[in-house]
Amino acid sequence: EVRLVQSGAEVKKPGTTVKISCKSFGYTFSDYYIHWVKQAPGKGLEWMGLIDPEDAQTIYAEKFQGRITITADTSIDTAYMELTSLTSEDTAVYYCATARYGGHFNYWAQGSLVTVSS
Amino acid sequence: QSVLTQPPSVSGTPGQRVTISCSGDSSNIGSNKVNWYQQLPGTAPKVVMYNNDQRPAGVPARFSGSKSGNSASLAISGLQSEDEADYYCAAWEDSLNDHLLFGGGTKLTVL
Repeated sequence: EVRLVQSGAEVKKPGTTVKISCKSFGYTFSDYYIHWVKQAPGKGLEWMGLIDPEDAQTIYAEKFQGRITITADTSIDTAYMELTSLTSEDTAVYYCATARYGGHFNYWAQGSLVTVSS
Repeated sequence: QSVLTQPPSVSGTPGQRVTISCSGDSSNIGSNKVNWYQQLPGTAPKVVMYNNDQRPAGVPARFSGSKSGNSASLAISGLQSEDEADYYCAAWEDSLNDHLLFGGGTKLTVL
């Protein structure tokens, strides 16, 4: 059974950095890209970027360029999303999800709530 | 503001057929496949339609998808109360190399 399990909720101060993990189970880690999706409270889904675990190539949405880093540790089948210079606008649930190249998101994790507050 | 445009809300009574539209342009929907995600309150999204008109295993046959030109639609017939959810279309964008776009989402209410 394929599962994605994310790290828990975080409360961060403005200007700091958050790093969320996404651990994969039940499939070959390099078979799927890992994507990250943001959902602010009461808002829609917003694509942030992806990583190909096979070669660590990344693509980031323009909106997050310069603040986001997505990495993958193939030794423990885990991807990470780091977001810097946090503001209240970054308060959201962040999801990781898998997809083949150009494909649909077939598996989603449970999401991680990040609250940015002074 | 999303590049893929969906109606904010649609509604129907049990047993009715509803359609959710998703409008884009030639660089996204017009040249790529469209996927649809259902998000029940407090849960992660799940795919209910992929590659325009393909239903994943476990999704009822009441769900159907189509695409024409720069627009796509998700139809739900025989509406049931458990279909009440937010629905999002998604498509890759050619003008932004390998970027994914989501529609703004449509809240389906079963009256």
